[in-house]
Amino acid sequence: EVQLVESGGGLVQPGSPLKLSCAASGFTFSSNWLNWIRQAPGKGLEWVASINPDGSSTYYPDTVKGRFVVSKDNAKNTGYLQMNNLRSEDTAMYYCARTEGAEDYWGQGVMVTVSS
Amino acid sequence: DIMMTQSPLSVAVTPGESASISCRSSKSLLHSNGITYLSWYLQRPEKSPQLLIYQISNLASGVSDRFSGSGSGTDFTLKISKVETEDVGIYYCVQFLEVPLTFGSGTKLEIK
Repeated sequence: EVQLVESGGGLVQPGSPLKLSCAASGFTFSSNWLNWIRQAPGKGLEWVASINPDGSSTYYPDTVKGRFVVSKDNAKNTGYLQMNNLRSEDTAMYYCARTEGAEDYWGQGVMVTVSS
Repeated sequence: DIMMTQSPLSVAVTPGESASISCRSSKSLLHSNGITYLSWYLQRPEKSPQLLIYQISNLASGVSDRFSGSGSGTDFTLKISKVETEDVGIYYCVQFLEVPLTFGSGTKLEIK
């Protein structure tokens, strides 16, 4: 059974860093892209990062570029989202997801709240 | 960036009736490989998004055949036949053609 489990969320102050983890199981993690998608309270879905299977290429929207860093440790079957200089507008539920056509799996999400 | 425009914002449906949701992209989602990278998701209350349809019209595993997708290029439609109470939630279209991946703003389906 494919599973993605996020962790590392919480309440942080503006300007602080936070690192999310995504533990994967049930599939060959090293062969798949990994995405991070977030959802602010009461809002829609927003893509925030993607990383290719071997971790050599990463992609971000302008809203987080330069502040967020996505990575993956294929030996540990774990993906990461390092978030720096957090802003109030980064407050959201963060999902890691494997989205490749029919092979589509999302974690349960982890909440990040940025507030003083 | 590719803009995804969904309509309507919300729809109220009587159980057993049908519903249609439209999604329009600002650029053709047809890749040179012949695949159109348009998917539909349902997000039930307090749940993670669930894939319904991928590549315009392919039904995801385990999804009821009451759901169907159609369209081409820049115009796409999700149809839900014989709506049931379990279909309540927010429906999103998304393009996977290029980064940044972009989602429609969502369509909320409610039961009358």
